[in-house]
Amino acid sequence: SQTIHQWPATLVQPVGSPLSLECTVEGTSNPNLYWYRQAAGRGLQLLFYSVGIGQISSEVPQNLSASRPQDRQFILSSKKLLLSDSGFYLCAWSEKREPYEQYFGPGTRLTVT
Amino acid sequence: GQNIDQPTEMTATEGAIVQINCTYQTSGFNGLFWYQQHAGEAPTFLSYNVLDGLEEKGRFSSFLSRSKGYSYLLLKELQMKDSASYLCAPMDSNYQLIWGAGTKLIIKP
Repeated sequence: SQTIHQWPATLVQPVGSPLSLECTVEGTSNPNLYWYRQAAGRGLQLLFYSVGIGQISSEVPQNLSASRPQDRQFILSSKKLLLSDSGFYLCAWSEKREPYEQYFGPGTRLTVT
Repeated sequence: GQNIDQPTEMTATEGAIVQINCTYQTSGFNGLFWYQQHAGEAPTFLSYNVLDGLEEKGRFSSFLSRSKGYSYLLLKELQMKDSASYLCAPMDSNYQLIWGAGTKLIIKP
């Protein structure tokens, strides 16, 4: 069966510090990968998605970036965090076939102080 | 534009039935998903509809009318553990999910 891992679970970082969140998927190959952010009481906002190694599509211009160095590894980064970067960050994967349902990792709760 | 409309909050009694409605407007349509999200946790997949009609899965059923841009999630025999947010997410022509804020369901004993 497939599993998705995200770490860390929680993170408190000062404004201006760098960020690196990692996500890995097991039990599947060549998945679609997604990074979302969810602000308190809000819907999920798609940040990045990837259909393959080195292929990243950005949905929202901001100070975040993503990379996919390996088939089942997806990394979210920032060089300098802003207060507005606080939120619940979720990684998800889907197969490359219909219905493309997405399965989520446990999430990282980021607080920028 | 793309838009999802769901009630913000609903309250129901343990053992009862509740229907959560969702209307949507998307650029193209490739099915509609329902997810459950407990407070502080990640969403989990509940159901998928791509054709009109009702899909039943245990205590949960989901209905779709593509011509009306309308779906509902029906939860039967409510249990306290069903207290969660329920997210309606249609998939657009680019196979991307469009997310609303969801419906927070409160179950009372």
